[in-house]
Amino acid sequence: DAGVIQSPRHEVTEMGQEVTLRCKPISGHNSLFWYRQTMMRGLELLIYFNNNVPIDDSGMPEDRFSAKMPNASFSTLKIQPSEPRDSAVYFCASGEAGPSEKLFFGSGTQLSVL
Amino acid sequence: QKEVEQNSGPLSVPEGAIASLNCTYSDRVSQSFFWYRQYSGKSPELIMSIYSNGDKEDGRFTAQLNKASQYVSLLIRDSQPSDSATYLCAGYTGTASKLTFGTGTRLQVTL
Repeated sequence: DAGVIQSPRHEVTEMGQEVTLRCKPISGHNSLFWYRQTMMRGLELLIYFNNNVPIDDSGMPEDRFSAKMPNASFSTLKIQPSEPRDSAVYFCASGEAGPSEKLFFGSGTQLSVL
Repeated sequence: QKEVEQNSGPLSVPEGAIASLNCTYSDRVSQSFFWYRQYSGKSPELIMSIYSNGDKEDGRFTAQLNKASQYVSLLIRDSQPSDSATYLCAGYTGTASKLTFGTGTRLQVTL
């Protein structure tokens, strides 16, 4: 298996632009997580899906952030409009839902908003 | 209180020594815990999981869970320079599957 695949690896954009991050989870995994990592705040959970349904989006910082999972093999995280404080590494992770769930992370997207 | 707390370090140990990494958690965190290792510029990777009180060993790694004191630790025996990384402790919070991470402890293994 190729693991969790994220694209793009790097994104540089200007403030106010729309940014779309993409994720393909591991086949057969039924949960998907979006995390954001910064030096100051560490790894923060933004939203997670179970069987393509958003379960908890309390970590989404504000209405500028939205996430979708139209099918079991694809998810997007969109920021519109982007701001410099959104600069971070965004990770997607997938797993098999359950209390002993182990997550597998993608390589991340390094986002820089100028 | 944060749900999962770690000392940010850096923790510096000489090669061959035992590295001890600690993590405390709040009442909101359930009893499944994980240790992830993250090399600089890379994504976190799972190295250990522990669900029951006590010790769990896997090669040079030992995870320890103490539910009464609400802490979980990771011991790395015979530390190697390749163990230099940030170690993230994680646990499930709430009734749903919400994996919450600590901010990580940076480990430096010196020659």
